[in-house]
Amino acid sequence: AQSVTQLDSHVSVSEGTPVLLRCNYSSSYSPSLFWYVQHPNKGLQLLLKYTSAATLVKGINGFEAEFKKSETSFHLTKPSAHMSDAAEYFCVVSDTLTGGSYIPTFGRGTSLIVHP
Amino acid sequence: SQTIHQWPATLVQPVGSPLSLECTVEGTSNPNLYWYRQAAGRGLQLLFYSVGIGQISSEVPQNLSASRPQDRQFILSSKKLLLSDSGFYLCAWSGAGRNTDTQYFGPGTRLTVL
Repeated sequence: AQSVTQLDSHVSVSEGTPVLLRCNYSSSYSPSLFWYVQHPNKGLQLLLKYTSAATLVKGINGFEAEFKKSETSFHLTKPSAHMSDAAEYFCVVSDTLTGGSYIPTFGRGTSLIVHP
Repeated sequence: SQTIHQWPATLVQPVGSPLSLECTVEGTSNPNLYWYRQAAGRGLQLLFYSVGIGQISSEVPQNLSASRPQDRQFILSSKKLLLSDSGFYLCAWSGAGRNTDTQYFGPGTRLTVL
């Protein structure tokens, strides 16, 4: 069984300061882990994906995430927030093939607010 | 490169009316296809997925149905809409085999049922 918990429903930062969005997961297998971003009234865009090749994963727009198996965490970070980073972020875990498809589990999302 | 289209972008329908939302994928063959619903302020709920033409798996029993008449076309339908069907509907695709774990999303359809 797989599950994912995003520890904060909202995170507020000032422009130019670091961003940390926290995610913990539970998985019976070696999971694939993802972060997606969703701007208002838009679809989800893949930021980055972890598949066991490297524990530190670099994504688009300056984001990166570190896989820590001992802590079952996959936190998303960015050194310096930009106003355009304001959006909803989803952590996703996928570990089980069912009926020919992996069915992912989505976190409930973290809303990132960026102040000028 | 692959692209995914959804239409319409927005839709306002009265309660009890039918629904048809369409999703098409370009630039890939034999994709897995998915329909999600995102209610206001909530996460994503998987409604249906398909691993091939005519093959539909339902995750949540409700008054919605899905069909896949062609390899890269996925349709979400309802015979009679309910108020609770309002939401943001997202279509997604993934590759086959090992690449099936990564999903790519369309732009979404905002449905308001009045």
